[in-house]
Amino acid sequence: GESVGLHLPTLSVQEGDNSIINCAYSNSASDYFIWYKQESGKGPQFIIDIRSNMDKRQGQRVTVLLNKTVKHLSLQIAATQPGDSAVYFCAAHSGGSYIPTFGRGTSLIVHP
Amino acid sequence: DADVTQTPRNRITKTGKRIMLECSQTKGHDRMYWYRQDPGLGLQLIYYSFDVKDINKGEISDGYSVSRQAQAKFSLSLESAIPNQTALYFCATSGFSEPRSYEQYFGPGTRLTVT
Repeated sequence: GESVGLHLPTLSVQEGDNSIINCAYSNSASDYFIWYKQESGKGPQFIIDIRSNMDKRQGQRVTVLLNKTVKHLSLQIAATQPGDSAVYFCAAHSGGSYIPTFGRGTSLIVHP
Repeated sequence: DADVTQTPRNRITKTGKRIMLECSQTKGHDRMYWYRQDPGLGLQLIYYSFDVKDINKGEISDGYSVSRQAQAKFSLSLESAIPNQTALYFCATSGFSEPRSYEQYFGPGTRLTVT
């Protein structure tokens, strides 16, 4: 079955630094990935997605990298701000399924 | 106004009580989901529904039941609450147009405590 995990449960950075949050997946059939951000007291919110036919996708201050060879994706946040403090989840979809497998989440703490 | 609303937002109940958590959405999405979140365990799928007549169990459905009353409403029931059902519960929807048809849109959550 699918398992999706995150390497670090907590990541602390200084404001202005770049942040990298990692995610590993085990199902080689996973073909669509989403990163979600969950702020305290709120539900997860879509940040960025990437399909398996891509290895990089950029958004506003965020970049997702996908390495299918080692089944790994990362979320890079440039010039991290206090408002980026949240828990970040990756989610993997396989074979057109609308049911994702979520990772456990990484808590990003940004120090001013 | 919020697109996905959950009621109640917080609830404390006693062991053995029946409780219902309600979810309503104004996004017009066909697909709705109930998740449970425990610290350090991410999101676990309880039940999901792809239309009004479609109900499916997720990975942790034991002790829970659901009702899809309408396209916009999806309720989760705990028939006889137990303390290990203490958790944060999220309702989510999906049904955006391509290319974001897989994206899930979450409600604000219900914090449930069973004593």
